[in-house]
Amino acid sequence: QSVLTQPPSASGTPGQRVTISCSGSSSNIGRNTVNWYQQLPGTAPKALIYSNNQRPSGVPDRFSGSKSGTSASLAISGLQSEDEADYYCAAWDDSLNGVLFGGGTKLTVL
Amino acid sequence: EVQLVESGGGSVQPGGSLRLSCAASGFTFSTYWMHWVRQAPGKGLVWVSRIVGDGSATNYADSVKGRFTISRDNAKNILYLQMNSLRAEDTAVYYCARAAVATRNAFDIWGQGTMVTVSS
Repeated sequence: QSVLTQPPSASGTPGQRVTISCSGSSSNIGRNTVNWYQQLPGTAPKALIYSNNQRPSGVPDRFSGSKSGTSASLAISGLQSEDEADYYCAAWDDSLNGVLFGGGTKLTVL
Repeated sequence: EVQLVESGGGSVQPGGSLRLSCAASGFTFSTYWMHWVRQAPGKGLVWVSRIVGDGSATNYADSVKGRFTISRDNAKNILYLQMNSLRAEDTAVYYCARAAVATRNAFDIWGQGTMVTVSS
């Protein structure tokens, strides 16, 4: 099954800004909105960004999302130790008629 | 409080069946599309299935099509996943997730997950 392409890992020091990329195709990111999820160790995923750049209530404005063409990115500014988690992008795929997830990016706060 | 609670996971032999349940509370269940997402041990998230609010339409990942059936009981506020002909590769934590109203394929609420192990 196809997946959206994310880097397997990313890292930064406290206070830094990090970005995580998500690459897809015309049948998914190119035509549909992108959503991002955060999964802290040992817990269920949590909604972080929906509709490319919208934050659910309670999500700090340090988290932001963007989309251009068939790619999207998640930016985290003012990195904090509690941001250490796995991050997943996702989008509907019109060819598969289902939701595609990225492989996930493990963020380490050094 | 808006909440989703999965149950029904466990160990089963290859070829066996299990039915997962997801009890919803704190919101008008019937107005929301619902999804199942799974995560194999140490692996990433994989979408499994989707059902619209009144249960009239469903979608499945190719890997489970013909073996899994998603359904819902809006009177009881429960989402189900009937899993038949289970395979070792179906071993995973299964999460139910609520679809956001603004965008039907974004998951705004997740359950805690229930573990399914398929092994002889």
